[in-house]
Amino acid sequence: AQTVTQSQPEMSVQEAETVTLSCTYDTSESNYYLFWYKQPPSRQMILVIRQEAYKQQNATENRFSVNFQKAAKSFSLKISDSQLGDTAMYFCAFMNGYSGGGADGLTFGKGTHLIIQP
Amino acid sequence: GAVVSQHPSWVICKSGTSVKIECRSLDFQATTMFWYRQFPKQSLMLMATSNEGSKATYEQGVEKDKFLINHASLTLSTLTVTSAHPEDSSFYICSAATGTSGNNEQFFGPGTRLTVL
Repeated sequence: AQTVTQSQPEMSVQEAETVTLSCTYDTSESNYYLFWYKQPPSRQMILVIRQEAYKQQNATENRFSVNFQKAAKSFSLKISDSQLGDTAMYFCAFMNGYSGGGADGLTFGKGTHLIIQP
Repeated sequence: GAVVSQHPSWVICKSGTSVKIECRSLDFQATTMFWYRQFPKQSLMLMATSNEGSKATYEQGVEKDKFLINHASLTLSTLTVTSAHPEDSSFYICSAATGTSGNNEQFFGPGTRLTVL
């Protein structure tokens, strides 16, 4: 079974700063997917970014980027030019991959509460 | 696109009663739906996976006779909490996936808050 570890329960930075959230995982699988989800106070889960394990290039989505270190089983999220609206819980998640595609259930880390200060 | 709804958004019930929560994919067909549970200030825990027309697969430690899951169509899955007790009070979230090859993104519903008195 896979595990996902987020070691930072809470982080606080000033608006416009850059912040990095850490995530490590453990799996014996070679084909898998990694995700970062944002959960604001509304509790709606929002996909921030995803990474396929077979891709060496780190995923980027506007101000959000990841540092995927497969050998170290590390998957950190960097938020540049942080905004007040980025304040939320952030969850790192793992999903097994299948050769035929499709989806499997997600294993989530415990989350990091990110607070952006004005 | 890719909208998932849940109904109700909040339900309060008495101990011993059963509660049904619906999860619908509004603009796509979901071959697979997932049910998660989130306690206050905690992470999401996968409860079960349901495929349309098949029996649900439950995670270890989840009582299948207590949490009944039905996925009767490609757009609807239901979770019934039978004989609910206060310890079942939680936030229940569903997600849906199209299941097409290479597309493994899950789309989440807004969640249902269950309070058992």
